[in-house]
Amino acid sequence: EAEVAQSPRYKITEKSQAVAFWCDPISGHATLYWYRQILGQGPELLVQFQDESVVDDSQLPKDRFSAERLKGVDSTLKIQPAELGDSAMYLCASTFSYNEQFFGPGTRLTVL
Amino acid sequence: AQSVTQLDSQVPVFEEAPVELRCNYSSSVSVYLFWYVQYPNQGLQLLLKYLSGSTLVKGINGFEAEFNKSQTSFHLRKPSVHISDTAEYFCAVSDSGNTPLVFGKGTRLSVIA
Repeated sequence: EAEVAQSPRYKITEKSQAVAFWCDPISGHATLYWYRQILGQGPELLVQFQDESVVDDSQLPKDRFSAERLKGVDSTLKIQPAELGDSAMYLCASTFSYNEQFFGPGTRLTVL
Repeated sequence: AQSVTQLDSQVPVFEEAPVELRCNYSSSVSVYLFWYVQYPNQGLQLLLKYLSGSTLVKGINGFEAEFNKSQTSFHLRKPSVHISDTAEYFCAVSDSGNTPLVFGKGTRLSVIA
């Protein structure tokens, strides 16, 4: 069964360092989402891509976060510099249609 | 903007007992509704979804949910829970179209032996 891949699964970094997360959606899924899930909360959208174009990045803290999906397939989310409040689970999801989003296993980030 | 309220943050229940996890959403012309389950340090797995049609939706692992438009609710039920159902459950909503999911804060279901 096709799955959304994410790496790394866990990342520990010190504040002010740069981190990057990678996501490979299910083949053929044109829409890709990055969500952030703070411990004890539901996921919240950071950015949505349709193919290689950004559809919605209104909730992305653009002073430190960036996201790209250059060829419309896999995607990278970067944080520079990381802050203590960025500690969270970062989830990637993809969808072929708007009926269902498929989620990857997530990257748990800890900022010390 | 859409919003989702999960009325219970934690629900403890004994094994083989029934359970209901409550979810209310803000009203809209049309909505798609979802329940996801999350096990520790894992991503989200879809349990079931309501897009249109029958208001009673059956999902995986014996779960079902009922869409109630007048009450703007989408409560999740299971007639007999197992230890393995212990997890975090999220209700989510999206508008018609290719829009992001808006999630509730989650309900932690703890099944007690």
